[in-house]
Amino acid sequence: NAGVTQTPKFQVLKTGQSMTLQCAQDMNHEYMSWYRQDPGMGLRLIHYSVGAGITDQGEVPNGYNVSRSTTEDFPLRLLSAAPSQTSVYFCASSYSKLGEQYFGPGTRLTVT
Amino acid sequence: AQRVTQPEKLLSVFKGAPVELKCNYSYSGSPELFWYVQYSRQRLQLLLRHISRESIKGFTADLNKGETSFHLKKPFAQEEDSAMYYCALNTDKLIFGTGTRLQVFP
Repeated sequence: NAGVTQTPKFQVLKTGQSMTLQCAQDMNHEYMSWYRQDPGMGLRLIHYSVGAGITDQGEVPNGYNVSRSTTEDFPLRLLSAAPSQTSVYFCASSYSKLGEQYFGPGTRLTVT
Repeated sequence: AQRVTQPEKLLSVFKGAPVELKCNYSYSGSPELFWYVQYSRQRLQLLLRHISRESIKGFTADLNKGETSFHLKKPFAQEEDSAMYYCALNTDKLIFGTGTRLQVFP
């Protein structure tokens, strides 16, 4: 099993550009989530999903969209990138909402 | 409000010294608490959870509801314990603390 995979590993965007961070898992987990990791702020939840077709906002959802058309995939879209979105983004999945979270390797995004 | 507080950004100890990484939480319900660890160049991974009451890699953590704490302890630190440690509270979503970097010197 590959576990949780994320692409790309690194990305540089200009302000105003849009892009999609990809996340996939092959463990048949229902629960998936996106976090951003910033120095001194820990990990903050952006959006999460409890199953295909169901998404909800986390702590810092503004500027990001998600969708969950399949159990395996949970892409994160930046509609119009801003320098404040410079961060490391982690995708995670778990069997249930209260279960162990399995994290992807992260995507380091820089917005100039 | 649901919150996890890790008061120390950095904790430095020498090999063989005891370690205690502090975690306090704010939650009115029955908490589900976890410690996650991120070693250099590795993914964030679960270290332990309070419900299992296990000792993992020599680490233990006891839930103290009276003090709303879930401190992580190890009696004798090893160099390979150097990493970033996150305390997390699971309610309807997982809330992380800001993390503590543990440095263990030889």
